[in-house]
Amino acid sequence: QQQVKQSPQSLIVQKGGISIINCAYENTAFDYFPWYQQFPGKGPALLIAIRPDVSEKKEGRFTISFNKSAKQFSLHIMDSQPGDSATYFCAAKTQGGSEKLVFGKGTKLTVNP
Amino acid sequence: EAGVTQFPSHSVIEKGQTVTLRCDPISGHDNLYWYRRVMGKEIKFLLHFVKESKQDESGMPNNRFLAERTGGTYSTLKVQPAELEDSGVYFCASSPTLLGEQFFGPGTRLTVL
Repeated sequence: QQQVKQSPQSLIVQKGGISIINCAYENTAFDYFPWYQQFPGKGPALLIAIRPDVSEKKEGRFTISFNKSAKQFSLHIMDSQPGDSATYFCAAKTQGGSEKLVFGKGTKLTVNP
Repeated sequence: EAGVTQFPSHSVIEKGQTVTLRCDPISGHDNLYWYRRVMGKEIKFLLHFVKESKQDESGMPNNRFLAERTGGTYSTLKVQPAELEDSGVYFCASSPTLLGEQFFGPGTRLTVL
């Protein structure tokens, strides 16, 4: 049973466009929602994270939107660049309990020049 | 500062053989995690060490998997005997505190033929 569902599986965007990746979760005990970026041959690296007490968090061109009632969160990449081409994973965990991260299946983003 | 390192980067073995994966966390990080990504699926938690103690091993698939963390430093994950379904990328992550960011290594790609 998949606890965090991520879509789309792959995404192709033109340079300068907006990339949007969506995730949905079931476990209402989750209280920390990070996004990870992974380049080929590297491990996932934390990109940006949000807690459910805020609806949006922005860091540079990257924004997380969070909808607690719908149990959904999304990553928006503004002005997408070819260097953003990577696999993106959403994740969730319950802080203060088990510290294990529960991941989505990943989205392979390709930004065409 | 050196990141999380994993060895080997790739391993190809026959079904029934034994393989040992190694993870060296960031120096001073007491928390060490093992995750696995089977192709096309999500990254799944295997277990969590705090220093040399197993804090949570709820994700270990079966008793063919044995994880150890000698003296609270590096960790090994042994698969004995390996089965076809064990193929995947095994990631190690470490964090300085329980609530701290998890830093991932580049992973070990295991192929069982």
